[in-house]
Amino acid sequence: AQSVTQPDIHITVSEGASLELRCNYSYGATPYLFWYVQSPGQGLQLLLKYFSGDTLVQGIKGFEAEFKRSQSSFNLRKPSVHWSDAAEYFCAVGSSNFGNEKLTFGTGTRLTIIP
Amino acid sequence: ETGVTQTPRHLVMGMTNKKSLKCEQHLGHNAMYWYKQSAKKPLELMFVYNFKEQTENNSVPSRFSPECPNSSHLFLHLHTLQPEDSALYLCASSSQTGYEQYFGPGTRLTVT
Repeated sequence: AQSVTQPDIHITVSEGASLELRCNYSYGATPYLFWYVQSPGQGLQLLLKYFSGDTLVQGIKGFEAEFKRSQSSFNLRKPSVHWSDAAEYFCAVGSSNFGNEKLTFGTGTRLTIIP
Repeated sequence: ETGVTQTPRHLVMGMTNKKSLKCEQHLGHNAMYWYKQSAKKPLELMFVYNFKEQTENNSVPSRFSPECPNSSHLFLHLHTLQPEDSALYLCASSSQTGYEQYFGPGTRLTVT
């Protein structure tokens, strides 16, 4: 069974500083990987996705993530955070085996931005 | 309308009421999902529909009854709920199961 671990429950960074949110996954085959962002009381918005090919993927809002198969990781990065980036971030893993597969979500990392 | 819409956005109901949540996707997707998100808890998948057929029910109590009349619409019928059912209920859709999901804004449900 697939699983996702986000080791950091809460991260605080200063505005303008760089950001890295960690995500580790467990899956027996080639995974599909996703990052979502959720503002309070809102739905989840897709930031970026990895299916295959280039292991560094670019997303919306200046985010990027790198797939490292050897480390089973898919960490999210942003070179300079803005106050509007404060939100909850979820990593998810999907399957390359079509059928009745679904996404498995991590427990989320809450990001706080300080001036 | 674009994307995934949910109505109502907020709902307060008593434990003896019957209400329904509605979700509509305008993306031409084939799979739709209901999730429950409670404070301090992980996102909980409740139901999965693929081509209108229910393919997953994650041991959800029978007081939650889903309905998927077509690939664009998904309902969650609620009756005799408990206070612990208060949560944000999210609907999502995807072109295929296992692919990225697109979420609606959610319905904030409060059971009194």
